[in-house]
Amino acid sequence: GQQLNQSPQSMFIQEGEDVSMNCTSSSIFNTWLWYKQEPGEGPVLLIALYKAGELTSNGRLTAQFGITRKDSFLNISASIPSDVGIYFCASGANSKLTFGKGITLSVRP
Amino acid sequence: EPEVTQTPSHQVTQMGQEVILRCVPISNHLYFYWYRQILGQKVEFLVSFYNNEISEKSEIFDDQFSVERPDGSNFTLKIRSTKLEDSAMYFCASRGQYNSPLHFGNGTRLTVT
Repeated sequence: GQQLNQSPQSMFIQEGEDVSMNCTSSSIFNTWLWYKQEPGEGPVLLIALYKAGELTSNGRLTAQFGITRKDSFLNISASIPSDVGIYFCASGANSKLTFGKGITLSVRP
Repeated sequence: EPEVTQTPSHQVTQMGQEVILRCVPISNHLYFYWYRQILGQKVEFLVSFYNNEISEKSEIFDDQFSVERPDGSNFTLKIRSTKLEDSAMYFCASRGQYNSPLHFGNGTRLTVT
């Protein structure tokens, strides 16, 4: 089946640093979504991308839909402690989403 | 901001028992979903529901699972005879327009003993 690849599994950064996360696939997708999950909660949508090459920002977050439609990245600038969590990329067609395995982000104060 | 709400937040049940997980999707949404997340793993699609019928289901969603929209607001997931491997977080999600992003609830943690 379709798979979304996210690595590494964990990232550790210092408060104030920028961080970039990648998501790749061997399949072409028409939508890329980035979600954040905090302990005990459901995934929360951060950014949705619908067009190849699209670059979208949401506060300190910026995400891009790759031109090949097989990848996307998420940048977080000037990280703060509350950025900790698991960041999932997701994509899919029609009625269901496929999620990546997620990247756990830790921010050291 | 409207939310997807799920109850209970934690359900403990014995193997072989039936459980019903409840969800209230966002009120004007039309598409409803259940996802599952085994501890430490990725979120997996179970089933989608539109116009009072299942649109699509995954291989996980076998005959032990069923979904229902008993009234205009609730959306339930029933597991008829729970197994140990059903222990997971179960997330309900909904969306308004076709191809608009999913909004997730906070999940129900199901523990099967």
